[in-house]
Amino acid sequence: DAKTTQPTSMDCAEGRAANLPCNHSTISGNEYVYWYRQIHSQGPQYIIHGLKNNETNEMASLIITEDRKSSTLILPHATLRDTAVYYCIVRVLFGANNLFFGTGTRLTVIP
Amino acid sequence: EAGVTQSPTHLIKTRGQQATLRCSPISGHTSVYWYQQALGLGLQFLLWYDEGEERNRGNFPPRFSGRQFPNYSSELNVNALELEDSALYLCASGPRGGYGYTFGSGTRLTVV
Repeated sequence: DAKTTQPTSMDCAEGRAANLPCNHSTISGNEYVYWYRQIHSQGPQYIIHGLKNNETNEMASLIITEDRKSSTLILPHATLRDTAVYYCIVRVLFGANNLFFGTGTRLTVIP
Repeated sequence: EAGVTQSPTHLIKTRGQQATLRCSPISGHTSVYWYQQALGLGLQFLLWYDEGEERNRGNFPPRFSGRQFPNYSSELNVNALELEDSALYLCASGPRGGYGYTFGSGTRLTVV
């Protein structure tokens, strides 16, 4: 049950900001937006999550539109090690549910 | 703090055999989730265990089963292996309620 849509792939120049969009037009009021990334068949790595306010941590920033129907993950200074598949997921914070991963966006950082 | 550990790292089995994959969650985490990732595809949810009980199941046949032990570690069993079962099997753990998943590095199962 994919609740999000993301571009299949994106390129970004090393050192530039990578902006990864995600549409989640059917998001419910109690659902959070989560971002994970998966580097070359390793286990997915948590990046950031948010409800309606913009969030920032040491890895990235998350910008959520006011209507919460879309969001953008921003990697401010992309490095070659950021090349990965990035997954945008919506889910409730607590409760009987699981993470449903879509196909994600394959970000390639170019030297 | 140790992360989620999975064993074995790689497993090669013959079609028709059974495979057992193991997962040790982060200390304090009570939930364990299993995912299958076939080559080049996204993660498909398999099973969710919490407090020793199966809480939810993805769209997989009954030959995919598992259990969670009192120490919250978990096993995934795949019976009557088929070639298309070849995949990376990922385990994630989380605290009660499911907030804050952490994934292991996975077990790569190859069925020949």
